Parts: sequence; structure tokens; C-alpha cells
Amino acid sequence: NAGVTQTPKFQVLKTGQSMTLQCAQDMNHEYMSWYRQDPGMGLRLIHYSVGAGITDQGEVPNGYNVSRSTTEDFPLRLLSAAPSQTSVYFCASTTGSGNDSPLHFGNGTRLTVT
Amino acid sequence: AQSVSQHNHHVILSEAASLELGCNYSYGGTVNLFWYVQYPGQHLQLLLKYFSGDPLVKGIKGFEAEFIKSKFSFNLRKPSVQWSDTAEYFCAVNAWGGSYIPTFGRGTSLIVHP
Repeated sequence: NAGVTQTPKFQVLKTGQSMTLQCAQDMNHEYMSWYRQDPGMGLRLIHYSVGAGITDQGEVPNGYNVSRSTTEDFPLRLLSAAPSQTSVYFCASTTGSGNDSPLHFGNGTRLTVT
Repeated sequence: AQSVSQHNHHVILSEAASLELGCNYSYGGTVNLFWYVQYPGQHLQLLLKYFSGDPLVKGIKGFEAEFIKSKFSFNLRKPSVQWSDTAEYFCAVNAWGGSYIPTFGRGTSLIVHP
């Protein structure tokens, strides 16, 4: 089982460029989410999805778009990169079968915006 | 909406010392509680969780946590830490009947000196 797969692992962008962070899971999980991790800030929720075709905003959604056309994939799009978006991004999924279902995380994407 | 506070941001211990990391949450209803660990350069993984029953929960690698409902707390403990426990620790809470997307605390960085 691959679990949650994120690509790329590292990315450097210039201010104003756009890109898509990929996330795929093979566990048939309904719930998927994107977090950013910054020093001293912990994990902050960007966007999440409760199923194919359904997405919602988290705590810090500005500057990011998501879509969920399939159960497996949940890409995160940066529309016009800014230095403030320099961070480590984690994708996670969970079954949603109960509130005690833990999150399964990908290995992260380290993004630097210059 | 729920919130989570982790009061210890940085903890430095010597091997064999005892560990207690504080976690308090704010939510009036029933919750599920989690501790995740992130080893250097890795993604988050589940350490332990509480959803019902015995408030003393045992997790992997000798960690345990106690849910004290009256104090809204879920502190993480380990009697004797090892150098390999050096990591960042995150407390998370998920409200019953919620979106299955937990809220995370800001994390505690633990450094264990050999």
C-alpha cells in the first residue's frame, strides 16, 4: 500500500508563478485535507474535502484552490505564488468512518517562493 | 469550533528523564483526542488516540496519555525518554459529529540529549 503520495518533494518558485501540488491516496478514504506547517505555528488547515466533488475552506485558504474530481486525488493549486507561501505542505486523508479515525499523512512538499 | 493549546513549545531533556507534555482543548461537547509525532524530516504519524472508555490510553513506544474531562486536558507522558524520541509532538482534537478534520495544536519540539 502506497498510502498518501505527494509530489513533488521539493519545489522552488518565483513570485507570481503558479503550480499544483499533487496528492493521491489509495485507501479509498472519503476525507482529504491540505495543511501547511510553519515554525511555531503548527499545522494549519488550508482546504479539505469530505468526498468527490465536495470541498471547503479551512483556516488559511487565501491564495490556494482545490478540486476533488475523484476519491483518490486532491490537488492543491497555488494561483500566484508569494513569499508568504513558503512552507511545508502536507496532504492527509482519513476514512471518516468515525471521529476517532486518525489522519494518514503524505511525506510533505517543501515549497520555497523567492 | 474547537481549539487546542500546547503550552510547552520547546522541551529539552536528558535520556532517562520523564516526560509530560501538556495539551488542553476548548470544546463543550464530546471529543476524540489524538497525539501525533513527527520525527525529523518525516511526516506526522499517530502516536495514540482516545475516543471512549478508559481515560488512560497507551500508545506506541511506551507513550501514554490521560484524558481528564474536567480539566479539558490530554497530557502526553513517558516515564523514561530516549534519544530516538527527539521529535515534534502535536495534540489534536476532533468533535463528535464534526467534519472528521481535527484541529491541531501548535506542537512541542522535544530534544533528548544522549
